[in-house]
Amino acid sequence: DGGITQSPKYLFRKEGQNVTLSCEQNLNHDAMYWYRQDPGQGLRLIYYSQIVNDFQKGDIAEGYSVSREKKESFPLTVTSAQKNPTAFYLCASSIRRQANEQFFGPGTRLTVL
Amino acid sequence: AQSVTQLGSHVSVSEGALVLLRCNYSSSVPPYLFWYVQYPNQGLQLLLKYTSAATLVKGINGFEAEFKKSETSFHLTKPSAHMRDAAEYFCAVASGGNNRLAFGKGNQVVVIP
Repeated sequence: DGGITQSPKYLFRKEGQNVTLSCEQNLNHDAMYWYRQDPGQGLRLIYYSQIVNDFQKGDIAEGYSVSREKKESFPLTVTSAQKNPTAFYLCASSIRRQANEQFFGPGTRLTVL
Repeated sequence: AQSVTQLGSHVSVSEGALVLLRCNYSSSVPPYLFWYVQYPNQGLQLLLKYTSAATLVKGINGFEAEFKKSETSFHLTKPSAHMRDAAEYFCAVASGGNNRLAFGKGNQVVVIP
């Protein structure tokens, strides 16, 4: 079955630690995205990548970093510089053509203690 | 920049009654519009999309939406609500030649038996 996997489902970290969230897709999509979801805020774009070895900042990139070394993988690192990292993080992918929908993974809920 | 507005964060509807979720968009070029549904602690699933073909778009689970350019709207409807429709619904817009989506803040739908 083709799809997007995110691991782990739940993640707990101590304040001040960096943490990396995994996102893998086997849909052969060129474009991948990371969103942050907070209650009542909708989805906000953190970073996106339209092709391997290239990525762009979204609307709330501060305190986050990404890499895109392989087409299938787009890991997100939440650094200690992110002031309020506790949130639900969603990864998505799409064909690199306008009007094509984004397909979403199941999400990772990060709690920073 | 494109954006969408969804009013009323929580919407209560009786089982069997009409579901109506409103979405208004802002875009300087012809938009592509999407409705997604999210069940608790899951990713988003596409309900339907408008890509400049028919203005009345039918989606999954009995939902449909009508694109009205004069009103810059793309409201989502379902004639008869079912308990399984309880979820959060997001409207999104893409325009301007890239794959980025701008999401509304969502409507949490509660179905009353």
